[in-house]
Amino acid sequence: KAGVTQTPRYLIKTRGQQVTLSCSPISGHRSVSWYQQTPGQGLQFLFEYFSETQRNKGNFPGRFSGRQFSNSRSEMNVSTLELGDSALYLCASSFAPGTGEETQYFGPGTRLLVL
Amino acid sequence: AQTVTQSQPEMSVQEAETVTLSCTYDTSESDYYLFWYKQPPSRQMILVIRQEAYKQQNATENRFSVNFQKAAKSFSLKISDSQLGDAAMYFCAYETNAGNNRKLIWGLGTSLAVNP
Repeated sequence: KAGVTQTPRYLIKTRGQQVTLSCSPISGHRSVSWYQQTPGQGLQFLFEYFSETQRNKGNFPGRFSGRQFSNSRSEMNVSTLELGDSALYLCASSFAPGTGEETQYFGPGTRLLVL
Repeated sequence: AQTVTQSQPEMSVQEAETVTLSCTYDTSESDYYLFWYKQPPSRQMILVIRQEAYKQQNATENRFSVNFQKAAKSFSLKISDSQLGDAAMYFCAYETNAGNNRKLIWGLGTSLAVNP
């Protein structure tokens, strides 16, 4: 079974631009979560999607947004990029909430560098 | 709010020896999950082991086992017969089982070096 895939793997953007990251979950997984990893703040939760609905959101500004499609694939968007947005963005997928099988499996991440 | 603390930023172990990584957490909930994830230099986050809080039995996965002390809010990872491939950053994570507030809360990690 294929794992979680994320595209692109690497991105270089300049301040003020916007970026869209994509995540395809493991087949059969319907929940997708996003995390930001930086050396200074560690791993922080961005948001979780299930059935095309955002179920939970972390403490990030509105410049960070996401969505989920009917095939469970998810995208996150960051608008008006700032230098501090440079990070590894990790996507994780899991079975539906409440199933008791909610272990999150991670993709390889997208490394974003903002210049 | 829940917090996760890993008090050992760096550790090292000799190949074939045993090492224990510490993790403590704070929560007022009674039902939750705990995880250890491994992140090698490739940055791929890999699940090592999972523990449900309602289970008293400690989880094991081959050479990896945990010591889960619910009352003490402690969740340590023991790696037996350490191998060079075990060298990585290890993260302890907490996940609530409460409704729509599901998310992983992470410790800052322990960097494990394995010496040949």
